[in-house]
Amino acid sequence: SQQGEEDPQALSIQEGENATMNCSYKTSINNLQWYRQNSGRGLVHLILIRSNEREKHSGRLRVTLDTSKKSSSLLITASRAADTASYFCATDYGNTGKLIFGQGTTLQVKP
Amino acid sequence: NAGVTQTPKFQVLKTGQSMTLQCAQDMNHNSMYWYRQDPGMGLRLIYYSASEGTTDKGEVPNGYNVSRLNKREFSLRLESAAPSQTSVYFCASSEVGGAGELFFGEGSRLTVL
Repeated sequence: SQQGEEDPQALSIQEGENATMNCSYKTSINNLQWYRQNSGRGLVHLILIRSNEREKHSGRLRVTLDTSKKSSSLLITASRAADTASYFCATDYGNTGKLIFGQGTTLQVKP
Repeated sequence: NAGVTQTPKFQVLKTGQSMTLQCAQDMNHNSMYWYRQDPGMGLRLIYYSASEGTTDKGEVPNGYNVSRLNKREFSLRLESAAPSQTSVYFCASSEVGGAGELFFGEGSRLTVL
């Protein structure tokens, strides 16, 4: 499977703390994306990082990509209760256009 | 803007029955996807359509068929439903396939008894 693996599977932190989630993948990629899913809802795109980029920021989100280690991390700074959700990484499947998702990290931010 | 619309939102089937999940997008996107999500698991790709008239198998295509009726619509058919197909199904679309952002529908919750 080309599926990414995410670590940890679950994370519980206090409001104001930082949350870090990791994603590893198996083959070379063109880009890696992160998505968020609130309980019972569809996924929402957060950020896309291309294979020639090492770091990208969007608001309180920071994504890094290490293609030599085939891994990425998502950092959410100064977390809020509203950040409670599941977070998924996704990688393109060669040049087919298919996007393959990892199993996700469930984040709980306690007020 | 509606974005990606899936119907029905909920469905209960008996083993062996057939049904079609409908998906439509109003963003003029070329690529469309069907995923399934099971408890504790991520999304698994069932089928993918890069453009109107083309479809390709994903990770878990067995037991499913798809139709890219036109640029807007991409349907998923279960010919003979099995309890293992109980899942939440998500449709998504993208302007540029995996090179860009996917927009998701709200999901269709299917139970097969």
